[in-house]
Amino acid sequence: DAGVIQSPRHEVTEMGQEVTLRCKPISGHNSLFWYRQTMMRGLELLIYFNNNVPIDDSGMPEDRFSAKMPNASFSTLKIQPSEPRDSAVYFCASSGLAGAGELFFGEGSRLTVL
Amino acid sequence: GENVEQHPSTLSVQEGDSAVIKCTYSDSASNYFPWYKQELGKRPQLIIDIRSNVGEKKDQRIAVTLNKTAKHFSLHITETQPEDSAVYFCAALTNDYKLSFGAGTTVTVRA
Repeated sequence: DAGVIQSPRHEVTEMGQEVTLRCKPISGHNSLFWYRQTMMRGLELLIYFNNNVPIDDSGMPEDRFSAKMPNASFSTLKIQPSEPRDSAVYFCASSGLAGAGELFFGEGSRLTVL
Repeated sequence: GENVEQHPSTLSVQEGDSAVIKCTYSDSASNYFPWYKQELGKRPQLIIDIRSNVGEKKDQRIAVTLNKTAKHFSLHITETQPEDSAVYFCAALTNDYKLSFGAGTTVTVRA
């Protein structure tokens, strides 16, 4: 398996624009997580899905953030409209044991909002 | 929710010496404690984990200890090498399957 695949790896956009980050989890994993990493706040859990169903989105900072998982092999994290404070590295991760096993991270999407 | 505190935030050691990172957690229901290593510009990767029914686990130069009564766990790296330089994160998993991470420890191994 190629591991968790994220795209784009880098995104530079202007404030107010819509940003869509994409993730393909490891085949067979039934849990998917979106994390945000910044120097100030470390690794923050934004939302996680189990069997494509959002279980906990309490970490989503604002209504500008939304996430979907239409099927077992694809998830998106959308920010609309984007703001400079959204600049961070966004990691997608998947696990095969509802989070109770190893979390496999993607390479991350580095977002810069100007 | 779970609150994981990690110390120290930075750690500089001489090559060959040991490094110890300590974490505490708040939720007594937490039952899984992994440690992740993140090299500069890379993704976090699991290096070792321990479950609440075990007090200690070792894998070559890396060991983790868990004290459930005191709600703390530690990572020990012996005979440190330059490739051990990275940011290390502890984490704790609660019954609702949320993994909370510590703030990270930047380890620098001096040659």
